[in-house]
Amino acid sequence: QQPVQSPQAVILREGEDAVINCSSSKALYSVHWYRQKHGEAPVFLMILLKGGEQKGHEKISASFNEKKQQSSLYLTASQLSYSGTYFCGTTGPGTSYGKLTFGQGTILTVHP
Amino acid sequence: NAGVTQTPKFRVLKTGQSMTLLCAQDMNHEYMYWYRQDPGMGLRLIHYSVGEGTTAKGEVPDGYNVSRLKKQNFLLGLESAAPSQTSVYFCASSYRQGADGYTFGSGTRLTVV
Repeated sequence: QQPVQSPQAVILREGEDAVINCSSSKALYSVHWYRQKHGEAPVFLMILLKGGEQKGHEKISASFNEKKQQSSLYLTASQLSYSGTYFCGTTGPGTSYGKLTFGQGTILTVHP
Repeated sequence: NAGVTQTPKFRVLKTGQSMTLLCAQDMNHEYMYWYRQDPGMGLRLIHYSVGEGTTAKGEVPDGYNVSRLKKQNFLLGLESAAPSQTSVYFCASSYRQGADGYTFGSGTRLTVV
């Protein structure tokens, strides 16, 4: 079953912060986050494995709450380059071969 | 360092025609995947492979076939194209099971008329 992302769209001005959430009805083993710019391929941002860890990547970080089956992506002090569609992808315990099930995406638009 | 290369980038097919999409990776990845992307639906897994000579069905396999005769190549075939197969197709690869991010190809935009 597809994870659910919220919100569906976010509009920001440069310097503002945003949070994108990813929820699953199934137990999770890992959560991936990707960003896709219009007309391009998705680009890997980070992966979080079960254990409730938090990771950071420049001004973009993420958390993973295994018990709640949720992950959140935090974008701080947003830049124009952050614009794009963000996807979470999840794997469940016992899921073979790293097969990801992707959410429907969150469109992030950053204005000057 | 090319990463994942997909060919062709664009294609228009008539209903009933066949075609093969090629995915090639030069990163020595064991795992390869074919996804399709439709507006508002994210990426859906069509077929995947866990190594040379292996293939398995994903979430939406009907109407597609795949082959992985060489480790670096993963082919996606449409035997009799239908308008419902109009989509953007992405190939991806990864090194380890579930613990590494995917590297995606640039995509193939397919239109079936």
